[in-house]
Amino acid sequence: DGGITQSPKYLFRKEGQNVTLSCEQNLNHDAMYWYRQDPGQGLRLIYYSQIVNDFQKGDIAEGYSVSREKKESFPLTVTSAQKNPTAFYLCASSIDRTTEAFFGQGTRLTVV
Amino acid sequence: AQSVTQLGSHVSVSEGALVLLRCNYSSSVPPYLFWYVQYPNQGLQLLLKYTSAATLVKGINGFEAEFKKSETSFHLTKPSAHMSDAAEYFCAVSDYYNQGGKLIFGQGTELSVKP
Repeated sequence: DGGITQSPKYLFRKEGQNVTLSCEQNLNHDAMYWYRQDPGQGLRLIYYSQIVNDFQKGDIAEGYSVSREKKESFPLTVTSAQKNPTAFYLCASSIDRTTEAFFGQGTRLTVV
Repeated sequence: AQSVTQLGSHVSVSEGALVLLRCNYSSSVPPYLFWYVQYPNQGLQLLLKYTSAATLVKGINGFEAEFKKSETSFHLTKPSAHMSDAAEYFCAVSDYYNQGGKLIFGQGTELSVKP
């Protein structure tokens, strides 16, 4: 079955550490996105990529980094510069900018 | 700039009653609109989408939404609520003209269904 796989589902990080969240899709979609979800704030865009080897900052990119070396993969690194990283992170993909996005099951990151 | 407003952060209905979740949008270009559902600790699942075809859109699980340009609304309805409909619902508009098709989400509406 085609879909988007995020791993791990739960992640714990010590303050000052970088962590990388994985996102893989086998839908052959060109566009991929990372959103952050906080209670009562909906979803906010962190980074997006419309094509391999290219990506752009979203609304809340500070403290995060991404890469897009393969069409199927769009990992997100939460760096120590992100002051409040505890959140639910969702990866999504779409065929192009006008179609619906498909979402992974999310990664819940907690700073301990 | 595009935006979405969902009226009511919490909606409670009885099982079998009508479900109405409200969404108003603001867009300077013809909008692409979506409704998603999210169950606890899960990703978002697409319920339905409006992409400038029929104004009444039917989705999964008996949900439908009507696009009303004059009211800039895209309200989600279901004639008869089921216990399994309890979840959080998000309305979204695609910012396809600017940020690569990013979705701009409303704040979400949590739907509770009472037996």
